[in-house]
Amino acid sequence: ILNVEQSPQSLHVQEGDSTNFTCSFPSSNFYALHWYRWETAKSPEALFVMTLNGDEKKKGRISATLNTKEGYSYLYIKGSQPEDSATYLCAFLMNTGFQKLVFGTGTRLLVSP
Amino acid sequence: DGGITQSPKYLFRKEGQNVTLSCEQNLNHDAMYWYRQDPGQGLRLIYYSQIVNDFQKGDIAEGYSVSREKKESFPLTVTSAQKNPTAFYLCASSRRGPNTEAFFGQGTRLTVV
Repeated sequence: ILNVEQSPQSLHVQEGDSTNFTCSFPSSNFYALHWYRWETAKSPEALFVMTLNGDEKKKGRISATLNTKEGYSYLYIKGSQPEDSATYLCAFLMNTGFQKLVFGTGTRLLVSP
Repeated sequence: DGGITQSPKYLFRKEGQNVTLSCEQNLNHDAMYWYRQDPGQGLRLIYYSQIVNDFQKGDIAEGYSVSREKKESFPLTVTSAQKNPTAFYLCASSRRGPNTEAFFGQGTRLTVV
C-alpha cells in the first residue's frame, strides 16, 4: 500500500492566524501532487496540481510548494478565515503505465471567528 | 452541465446482498476512480480505470468488483464478501496526464443492516 501521509490530522486556529500543513509521499513513480479542499456536504475541489520539483502555486491567500526529491509538499494559508474551515487533502498521482491517484488522510482545519 | 453523477445518494441494504453503486461522467475523461471513506479516515482507493474494458485493483479491492464497458460509466458492486461495507463511497474522474485534476461525484452513503 502506497503511503501518503498528512500532518497534522486536525488543526484549530483563530481568524487571522496563518497556518501550514504537510504532505509526504513516495519519491518514486512521481507524476503529480494534488491538493484538494473538501467542505462539509460538498465534493472535494482541486486547489493545486503540481508536477515539477520546486513548483510553487498560489491562489489568493493559499499557496503550496513541492519537493519531489525528498517527497513532501506544504500548503500554506495566510490570514485564515472561517470560510477556510474544511478538510485539506493531498493526493499523489503515480504513473506505472496506469495512472493511480492515492490520497492522504487529510488535515481538518477549523477556523474560529 | 458537465460533471459526475453518483446515484443513489443514500442506500440501505441487508447483509448478504450485493449492491451496485452508479457513477456516470460526461466530461469525456479517460480515468475513473472509486474511493471509500470511513469515519475519521481519508479516501482509500478501491478500483481505478484508465480505459474502457480495463481496470486495476486499488489498495482495498477485496469484496468489490467494477466494470468499464463504456467510457462514461464505472459502476461499483459491493459484494457480500465485503466484510464491512457500510461507508461513504466517492467516485472521481480525470483526464490522462500529469497536469489534470480529478473531479468528484456527490458520493453514496451505503448502510448495510
